Amino acid sequence: DTGVSQDPRHKITKRGQNVTFRCDPISEHNRLYWYRQTLGQGPEFLTYFQNEAQLEKSRLLSDRFSAERPKGSFSTLEIQRTEQGDSAMYLCASSLAGNAETQYFGPGTRLLVL
Amino acid sequence: DAKTTQPTSMDCAEGRAANLPCNHSTISGNEYVYWYRQIHSQGPQYIIHGLKNNETNEMASLIITEDRKSSTLILPHATLRDTAVYYCIVRGVNNNDMRFGAGTRLTVKP
Repeated sequence: DTGVSQDPRHKITKRGQNVTFRCDPISEHNRLYWYRQTLGQGPEFLTYFQNEAQLEKSRLLSDRFSAERPKGSFSTLEIQRTEQGDSAMYLCASSLAGNAETQYFGPGTRLLVL
Repeated sequence: DAKTTQPTSMDCAEGRAANLPCNHSTISGNEYVYWYRQIHSQGPQYIIHGLKNNETNEMASLIITEDRKSSTLILPHATLRDTAVYYCIVRGVNNNDMRFGAGTRLTVKP
């Protein structure tokens, strides 16, 4: 257990529905990252926050995706109008900013869109 | 960013050392080498990282060549629970994400 928690661990939804995932980082960490991982591939970066500011978004993050970290602690990732191609593991990581920062990952949320 | 090359898969006998290689021939002077592993259906687990010097912790040792163009992760006494995909990542101080490749699937056999 790294201290990063994610909820839910599994989500099954129908195409077109909205889903929201939550990530609780290690408490003293000021950076929070979201990644997506499809079967057989390594995780791919989606976006990251430093405190409450969203500082970078990948082009993978379509306009149906939105992430927030309102108080600089937990974060949510929402996917609107889900598509079957959104089926993946969504991973959250947190770190303390620095030259050799180490990201610690949560267990992930596995999404299946039917 | 420097890219990494790893073998697709490797086997290791239980109790023996597992040596996982990684090539990063275009690495820059301020880029770190990180190793993570991912056991099936779990999130990636941090193992170790280094810049120039060899590093050791309770999980593994990281050997970086003098020219920094390659490195080796050593699990000194592999157990069945070390079966996982191992990712070698090169990350610069100006990069905010970990750029995972396909990794090496290590299978530890009894």
